[in-house]
Amino acid sequence: AQSVTQLDSHVSVSEGTPVLLRCNYSSSYSPSLFWYVQHPNKGLQLLLKYTSAATLVKGINGFEAEFKKSETSFHLTKPSAHMSDAAEYFCVPLMDSNYQLIWGAGTKLIIKP
Amino acid sequence: DTGVSQDPRHKITKRGQNVTFRCDPISEHNRLYWYRQTLGQGPEFLTYFQNEAQLEKSRLLSDRFSAERPKGSFSTLEIQRTEQGDSAMYLCASSSTSGMYQETQYFGPGTRLLVL
Repeated sequence: AQSVTQLDSHVSVSEGTPVLLRCNYSSSYSPSLFWYVQHPNKGLQLLLKYTSAATLVKGINGFEAEFKKSETSFHLTKPSAHMSDAAEYFCVPLMDSNYQLIWGAGTKLIIKP
Repeated sequence: DTGVSQDPRHKITKRGQNVTFRCDPISEHNRLYWYRQTLGQGPEFLTYFQNEAQLEKSRLLSDRFSAERPKGSFSTLEIQRTEQGDSAMYLCASSSTSGMYQETQYFGPGTRLLVL
């Protein structure tokens, strides 16, 4: 069965410092993995998608994520945080059997001025 | 912009009333999904369509909820006899089963429902 664990419910960083949002998944084989972002009272926006073409995936707004099969991880990073990055972030695997997304509770990113 | 649109964006209703929400997917997308999201939680799957066929419905979805996609384009989600527990953000997403971005779900802005 596929599942996802976002290791931190909240992450707080200062503006201009690096961001690391951690995600571990469990699956019997390499899944499709997504990162979505949700700003307050807004819908979900796709940040990036992993589909086995390349282990390092670049997304929008300077974010990227690296798929590490040996660690079953797909952590999201950004070199320098901006105030506009404050939002909820979801790491979401795609279930292969019925193409459903598997949602966790997400990680809230807080940016300190 | 031809993204997913939802209408209305906000709805306030009294307990016991019926409400209907509309979702217009990205035009070439054949799959359409409905989710519900409450504060501090991730989205909860409700149902999805491939073209006009409703292929899966969450066991959590009560009989008061019904969804349609009559012509394989827009979809409606109706909640009958609303309860205060139905207060949530209702999200719609669409995806394609082919092409470079297959199985990538794109979300609309959501409809926020408040039941008084």
